[in-house]
Amino acid sequence: DTEVTQTPKHLVMGMTNKKSLKCEQHMGHRAMYWYKQKAKKPPELMFVYSYEKLSINESVPSRFSPECPNSSLLNLHLHALQPEDSALYLCASSQDVGHLNGYTFGSGTRLTVV
Amino acid sequence: AQKITQTQPGMFVQEKEAVTLDCTYDTSDPSYGLFWYKQPSSGEMIFLIYQGSYDQQNATEGRYSLNFQKARKSANLVISASQLGDSAMYFCSLLPRIYGGNTPLVFGKGTRLSVIA
Repeated sequence: DTEVTQTPKHLVMGMTNKKSLKCEQHMGHRAMYWYKQKAKKPPELMFVYSYEKLSINESVPSRFSPECPNSSLLNLHLHALQPEDSALYLCASSQDVGHLNGYTFGSGTRLTVV
Repeated sequence: AQKITQTQPGMFVQEKEAVTLDCTYDTSDPSYGLFWYKQPSSGEMIFLIYQGSYDQQNATEGRYSLNFQKARKSANLVISASQLGDSAMYFCSLLPRIYGGNTPLVFGKGTRLSVIA
């Protein structure tokens, strides 16, 4: 299995809702990432988990809360989002943070905040 | 600091022609990896090709090749025999200190390629 699976593919939520994005990989990768991508822009790093521990938080607002329950799963919990948080959220994994094999990306969750 | 520069916001190419997408980078690390990703309108990031800083030969993967000029710090992607399905956004990216570093992938701003029939 050489895939990163993200669910849901699309999500519409209100500003008072609580929702979660899910990411799963079974490649034995020990680093997992959340990126946010606005239209016509490159992905922006949000969080890095290395060996199930949060190693990088790029000053992301607390309304985004990551969680890594085990080495195969990565969640992003969303609460009280703003319309400007609407974007494509990409999950990725790699063998290690600096591993030369690079990253495998999921197909993303398109989030719309209304 | 690590930086990737893609100076071409958009490119057009005729079907079956070759096209070069430019990428320059800046890093002080002696070991690093350079990656190109393709992102169709559907959103997924598809890995295309990788070049290591110590690789002696330019990387090739099918119709994709990487023109790596280390002294100039450039890593241009060459797509031969363009197909309509190649229309997408292309990102050049840098992974510093590939042998045990802790710095995540750095992306350029991307180039939107449009293939014309």
